[in-house]
Amino acid sequence: DARVTQTPRDKVTEMGQEVTMRCQPILGHNTVFWYRQTMMQGLELLAYFRNRAPLDDSGMPKDRFSAEMPDATLATLKIQPSEPRDSAVYFCASGLGTGEQYFGPGTRLTVT
Amino acid sequence: AQSVTQPDIHITVSEGASLELRCNYSYGATPYLFWYVQSPGQGLQLLLKYFSGDTLVQGIKGFEAEFKRSQSSFNLRKPSVHWSDAAEYFCAVGAGSNFGNEKLTFGTGTRLTIIP
Repeated sequence: DARVTQTPRDKVTEMGQEVTMRCQPILGHNTVFWYRQTMMQGLELLAYFRNRAPLDDSGMPKDRFSAEMPDATLATLKIQPSEPRDSAVYFCASGLGTGEQYFGPGTRLTVT
Repeated sequence: AQSVTQPDIHITVSEGASLELRCNYSYGATPYLFWYVQSPGQGLQLLLKYFSGDTLVQGIKGFEAEFKRSQSSFNLRKPSVHWSDAAEYFCAVGAGSNFGNEKLTFGTGTRLTIIP
């Protein structure tokens, strides 16, 4: 049963620290998405890639967030420096470009 | 730009009763439509999708949804709910697989509570 995996599942860090979240998309999927979910804003698209190339990162605060795909099996989302307002659940999803997206279990980030 | 409205923030249903969750979308062409479910502490799981063809689509866990173009709706239904159906449900609309348009726009979600 192919699944999207995300690490870490939970992360608590202090304000100003760098945070790196990792995602392994389903093997063979060519699109990868990063979302952020909060009670106030709901589910927000931060960035997405097709064939490892970034297509849209307009939802991402550029000054502190960065997203990359070093290879087809790894996507990363970094926050530097982190702030308390970044506390949220971050989801990675992958797909075949047909519109269907398969979500990982998420990384719960708490910035104190 | 596409958009999705889920008018019900929270719905409570008795176990064994029928369920309908509402979803209205806005999109200029024929949309791709999805329903996802999120259990507490979990990621979103795809329940069903509509791309084209038969307007009544079947999904997993006994759910179905009907696409009604005239009403711009894609409501989710289940004839008899189980306690395990308690979760958050999200409707989403996509522009399809056109180049650069795999993005989905999600509704704000409907939380479903099941009472014995």
